[in-house]
Amino acid sequence: KAGVTQTPRYLIKTRGQQVTLSCSPISGHRSVSWYQQTPGQGLQFLFEYFSETQRNKGNFPGRFSGRQFSNSRSEMNVSTLELGDSALYLCASSISGGAADTQYFGPGTRLTVL
Amino acid sequence: AQSVTQPDIHITVSEGASLELRCNYSYGATPYLFWYVQSPGQGLQLLLKYFSGDTLVQGIKGFEAEFKRSQSSFNLRKPSVHWSDAAEYFCAVGPSGTYKYIFGTGTRLKVLA
Repeated sequence: KAGVTQTPRYLIKTRGQQVTLSCSPISGHRSVSWYQQTPGQGLQFLFEYFSETQRNKGNFPGRFSGRQFSNSRSEMNVSTLELGDSALYLCASSISGGAADTQYFGPGTRLTVL
Repeated sequence: AQSVTQPDIHITVSEGASLELRCNYSYGATPYLFWYVQSPGQGLQLLLKYFSGDTLVQGIKGFEAEFKRSQSSFNLRKPSVHWSDAAEYFCAVGPSGTYKYIFGTGTRLKVLA
């Protein structure tokens, strides 16, 4: 079974631009969560989608948004990029998103904002 | 407030030596506890998880962890470290309201040949 895939793997943007990251979960997984990983803040939960609905949201500004499609693929969008948005963005999928579910992580998208 | 603390930012051990990575948590009830490993340029891989039952949990790659409620700890151990174990290790606790899971800041393991 193929793992979680994220595209693109690397992105370089400038301040003020917007960016869209994509995540394809493991086949059969309906929950997709997004995390931001930075050296200073560590791993922080952004949001979770299940059956095309946002089910949980972390403490991030409205510039961070996401969506999920009927095939469970998910995208996250960051508008009006700031230097502090430079990070590794990780996507994780699980069968139903329950607390006991194992989350499977993708390799991440490395975003650099100049 | 719920939190996870990994007191050691860096740990260096010699290949073949034993390893213990510390994780302390603050949580109102019995949490779900996880250990993940992240190799350079990779996502996180689940090593093991604890929900209930036997407090000694076996995971992949020869790792184990012990849940100690009295000490609010979930330390990760391995009897003999291999050079390929060099990576960053994260402890996580959940569920945590809308935040789903809270991750520790990670411990970076270096293995000396």
